[in-house]
Amino acid sequence: NAGVMQNPRHLVRRRGQEARLRCSPMKGHSHVYWYRQLPEEGLKFMVYLQKENIIDESGMPKERFSAEFPKEGPSILRIQQVVRGDSAAYFCASSPLAGRTDTQYFGPGTRLTVL
Amino acid sequence: GQQLNQSPQSMFIQEGEDVSMNCTSSSIFNTWLWYKQDPGEGPVLLIALYKAGELTSNGRLTAQFGITRKDSFLNISASIPSDVGIYFCAGLSPAGNMLTFGGGTRLMVKP
Repeated sequence: NAGVMQNPRHLVRRRGQEARLRCSPMKGHSHVYWYRQLPEEGLKFMVYLQKENIIDESGMPKERFSAEFPKEGPSILRIQQVVRGDSAAYFCASSPLAGRTDTQYFGPGTRLTVL
Repeated sequence: GQQLNQSPQSMFIQEGEDVSMNCTSSSIFNTWLWYKQDPGEGPVLLIALYKAGELTSNGRLTAQFGITRKDSFLNISASIPSDVGIYFCAGLSPAGNMLTFGGGTRLMVKP
């Protein structure tokens, strides 16, 4: 049973470009969470999605960031017009159960570098 | 927003020594979790605590959920080189469905 998969593992973008980060949850998991980790810091919650629905986006910046989890395919975290401050590791986690964040399994992360 | 204060920020110990780290919060949490993160990887769950006062072990790891529900500690006994990594506490608040993470404790073990 494959774990949570994220790609790409490393992404380099120039200021103003778009970044698309993909997360494939574990088989049978329909709940996805995205977190951002700045260097030397803990993970910060961004958004919680179920299939085709955004449940909680209280941690998402108001502009340039969006997330989706379509009926088919991976969850996508999209950052438009990236700035240097967006450089971070972005992790997704998946869970089989609603509201049970203690059953989250984390992916290996995507490290975004903005030049 | 809620914050978790995790200490110490880093520890450099000799192999075989015991380690203790803790997290405190100004808010109550319903669940406390402890994770380990290796370089270039995502966090891996070590121990989950669900009740105030609960003491749970996982091999050489022991964690406790504080009585006040505002703190938790993690102990590692007889450390070995593969214990090296960053340990994070995380709390699940009564109102939320997301995890709040502490700032991490970076553990270094000298063989």
